[in-house]
Amino acid sequence: DGGITQSPKYLFRKEGQNVTLSCEQNLNHDAMYWYRQDPGQGLRLIYYSQIVNDFQKGDIAEGYSVSREKKESFPLTVTSAQKNPTAFYLCASKQDTGAEAFFGQGTRLTVV
Amino acid sequence: GQQLNQSPQSMFIQEGEDVSMNCTSSSIFNTWLWYKQDPGEGPVLLIALYKAGELTSNGRLTAQFGITRKDSFLNISASIPSDVGIYFCAGRGAVTGGGNKLTFGTGTQLKVEL
Repeated sequence: DGGITQSPKYLFRKEGQNVTLSCEQNLNHDAMYWYRQDPGQGLRLIYYSQIVNDFQKGDIAEGYSVSREKKESFPLTVTSAQKNPTAFYLCASKQDTGAEAFFGQGTRLTVV
Repeated sequence: GQQLNQSPQSMFIQEGEDVSMNCTSSSIFNTWLWYKQDPGEGPVLLIALYKAGELTSNGRLTAQFGITRKDSFLNISASIPSDVGIYFCAGRGAVTGGGNKLTFGTGTQLKVEL
């Protein structure tokens, strides 16, 4: 089935460690996005990519990094520079010229 | 970054009641989307609106693209327990000039009492 897959579902890390969240899609979508969601909050854009080997910062990019080496994959690294990394992370993809974005199931990251 | 204003922030209703929520923006959008998010899951697209004044239904859900292009409304008729969740609106401006991103609303939390 076509879709967008995030892994793992739950992730625990010690403070000061970098951690990479996976996002893979087989929808042949050009654009991919990473959002952060805190309890009771909306979605805030971290990074996005509209084409392979290119990406742009969103509204809250500090402390995060991404890569887009393949069309299907857009991993997000939460670095030790991110001051408050515990959150629910959502990956989305869409056709470049389309508006309808489709989301993965999310990764809940807890840093202790 | 901009977030759309969504209201109400939360609603606690009886099963069978109709529900209305809305989303407003200071900017004009060319597309409005409505999503539902269940606890611990990613948002799922419910309805997409592409034209000012457009009224679109999906089962018990009806959404409208405001004529000013700065607002949108979602109605749920005869609510049932599985309607529980957070509803998000999202808007997209012009594709050029960096407008290919979606801007999300702050969410409306819906709780249904049996």
